[in-house]
Parts: sequence; structure tokens; C-alpha cells
Amino acid sequence: DAGITQSPRYKITETGRQVTLMCHQTWSHSYMFWYRQDLGHGLRLIYYSAAADITDKGEVSDGYVVSRSKTENFPLTLESATRSQTSVYFCASSSDITYEQYFGPGTRLTVT
Amino acid sequence: QKEVEQNSGPLSVPEGAIASLNCTYSDRGSQSFFWYRQYSGKSPELIMSIYSNGDKEDGRFTAQLNKASQYVSLLIRDSQPSDSATYLCAVYTGGGNKLTFGTGTQLKVEL
Repeated sequence: DAGITQSPRYKITETGRQVTLMCHQTWSHSYMFWYRQDLGHGLRLIYYSAAADITDKGEVSDGYVVSRSKTENFPLTLESATRSQTSVYFCASSSDITYEQYFGPGTRLTVT
Repeated sequence: QKEVEQNSGPLSVPEGAIASLNCTYSDRGSQSFFWYRQYSGKSPELIMSIYSNGDKEDGRFTAQLNKASQYVSLLIRDSQPSDSATYLCAVYTGGGNKLTFGTGTQLKVEL
């Protein structure tokens, strides 16, 4: 199906482990984004990408790494997970024609 | 810092009434404005975009933009229980297709 997908949908990991969240979109959108959503903070931008091999930090990028070797994929890696990274993570994409962003279903990550 | 402010609510309205959701933004240069609906446990869903001053209608939804006063609102006519959700206001202020989101207003439509 066309659209934007995320995997896994749920993940429990331990403090200090590396974990990668996957995001895949089929619209060939140029822009992709990673957000985390926590109670009281709303959606906060972690990283974004304007095209393959072009990425930039958002407001809460510490502890996260991204890559974008292909237009359709934008994985987010937590290099050494901490409890403060327990959150719901959303991936989004937008074309370079409009600024409308479309969100994936989210990944609920728990770090124990 | 570019900010987008929303009343967190909850805003409770009876079924069939008009729900009015408001959003203010700090960056006078903001160009594009969006409303997203987010059901509990789900991802945000785009429901309205507005770019020019005035009203934009789509079904039961009307977005209103006043750039001089730096506010954007969403009206939901004939509110239904299925409209119960959190509504997020988002603003594009330029650069990287990034949006700044408000923290959302929770709407409850009561029978």
C-alpha cells in the first residue's frame, strides 16, 4: 500500500542498547522528519532530511543518529538508549511543493 | 523562539454544537498554517491547510486565518462524538519544510 510506514510499532529495550526505528514512504517525497511526542511537550523535531544524503538536526537531536541513503527510507538510531528516550516516535514526510506533512503510524518505544 | 500556542483544554461541547479551537503564533513572517487531528494512540492526521487571510471551508470544518492578529482558528460545525480528539495547530515559518506544532487542544463532544 502507498503511504508511510514505521517499524516496529512497539519496542522495549534496555538502557544502553542501540535501537533503530525504521521509516519508509512510497510517495517519493523529498522531505522526511522524525518527531517524538511526550505528554506536556507535544511534537518535538529530532531530525529532518531534505533529500537523500542531506540531513539536519532538530531541537532534540542529542543521542540520536539518522541516515538517508535512499529517498524512501529514513531510519532513526538511538546509539545508547536512555530512559528519557522512552516516547512515541513519529516519522513524517512532505513534498517540496507543499509544506503539508503526512505522518506514519508511530513507534512506541520503552527503555527499561 | 518561534512559538505556537494553544489552550490545552479539554474543550467540551454538546453534540451538534459548534466547536471553536484557537491558535496563536509568534512569528509574524509565518506563511502557512495547518490543523491536524490526533485520536488517542494514533498519529496526527492533516485535516485543513490555510495560506491566506480569511476563511476556508471543507465540509463541517472551517479554518480562519488572521495574519494581522497572528491567530488561526478551526471551527467544527455540527460536532459529533467522533470529533473527540486532540487538535494540533502547526505553522510553517520558513526553512527546510519544517513545521512548528502547538501542544494541542483536547476536544470532547458529549452526547
